[in-house]
Amino acid sequence: DQQVKQNSPSLSVQEGRISILNCDYTNSMFDYFLWYKKYPAEGPTFLISISSIKDKNEDGRFTVFLNKSAKHLSLHIVPSQPGDSAVYFCAASARYYGGSQGNLIFGKGTKLSVKP
Amino acid sequence: EAGVAQSPRYKIIEKRQSVAFWCNPISGHATLYWYQQILGQGPKLLIQFQNNGVVDDSQLPKDRFSAERLKGVDSTLKIQPAKLEDSAVYLCASSSGGVYPYEQYFGPGTRLTVT
Repeated sequence: DQQVKQNSPSLSVQEGRISILNCDYTNSMFDYFLWYKKYPAEGPTFLISISSIKDKNEDGRFTVFLNKSAKHLSLHIVPSQPGDSAVYFCAASARYYGGSQGNLIFGKGTKLSVKP
Repeated sequence: EAGVAQSPRYKIIEKRQSVAFWCNPISGHATLYWYQQILGQGPKLLIQFQNNGVVDDSQLPKDRFSAERLKGVDSTLKIQPAKLEDSAVYLCASSSGGVYPYEQYFGPGTRLTVT
């Protein structure tokens, strides 16, 4: 039972255009959402996050939107650059869930390719 | 600030052999996590330590996997005996564990291939 879903395994966009990566979740207890970026042979690095009390968070070229009623979030990258080419993971967290405390539940990732 | 260190970076073993991975978290980080990332999947939590105590090991296959955190700093993850399906990248992460939410910092991972 996948609680965090990234239904697009890959996405290809042209340099300078907007990249939109989507993520859906099922557990209403999630109250914090993160995006991680991963290059080959490296560990995931934190990119941007959003609390469930907000619907938008912006950091430079990166913006995350949260639609709680739809249990959906998206990451917008504008303008996209070739260096943005990587796998992007959506992750969700709940303060207390089962026996864990704030553990991250990851989606399967979306591979973004930005073409020059 | 030094990041999360892991070793080895790559390991190839035959099935039924044993293997151990080492992790050194960011200095001062109380919480340490081990994740398993199978190709094409997202990282899946295996075990979470708070200082040297286990907080969550509900997804750790305890018949073959074990982990310890020595003196609340370094940690080792062991697999004995390994199976083909254990082929994956094993990621270590740490967080300060102060106020929620806990931002996790990941190491580069150890890629394990079981043949």
